[in-house]
Amino acid sequence: NAGVTQTPKFQVLKTGQSMTLQCAQDMNHEYMSWYRQDPGMGLRLIHYSVGAGITDQGEVPNGYNVSRSTTEDFPLRLLSAAPSQTSVYFCASSYSRLSYTFGSGTRLTVV
Amino acid sequence: TQLLEQSPQFLSIQEGENLTVYCNSSSVFSSLQWYRQEPGEGPVLLVTVVTGGEVKKLKRLTFQFGDARKDSSLHITAAQPGDTGLYLCAGAGHGNKLVFGAGTILRVKS
Repeated sequence: NAGVTQTPKFQVLKTGQSMTLQCAQDMNHEYMSWYRQDPGMGLRLIHYSVGAGITDQGEVPNGYNVSRSTTEDFPLRLLSAAPSQTSVYFCASSYSRLSYTFGSGTRLTVV
Repeated sequence: TQLLEQSPQFLSIQEGENLTVYCNSSSVFSSLQWYRQEPGEGPVLLVTVVTGGEVKKLKRLTFQFGDARKDSSLHITAAQPGDTGLYLCAGAGHGNKLVFGAGTILRVKS
């Protein structure tokens, strides 16, 4: 099993550009979520989904959109990148919410 | 907003020493999870505790969930250089959200 796969691993954007961070899992988990990790701040929840067609906002949703058309995929869209969105982004999935499997992350720099 | 305060932020110790990492909140969590993260990788689950007062052991690591399910601790006995990493606590709270502490960077010197 591949687990949770995130692409790309690294990305540099110019301010105002848009892009989509991809996340796919092959464990048939209903619950998926996106986090950003900044130094000294742990992981902060951006958006999450409890199943296909259902999404909700987390702690820091502004500037990001998500959709969940299939159980496997949960892409994160940056609408108009800003330097404040420079961060490491992690996607996670869970079956029971008692344990989460994380991807290896996307390191995003906005210049 | 549910918050988890994790301490210390940074710990540098010699091989063989013991250490404890704390995770505290004023909120009640249905479960408390501990993760370890290495540079360039995502967090990896170490343990989940769900019952107040619960103690779980994983080799040299001992995890405890407070009686009121508001706090937790991670104790490492006889730390080894391989224990070096970022340790994160995370609480399952309101709705479907997992709230993370800021993390403890552990460095074990040989």
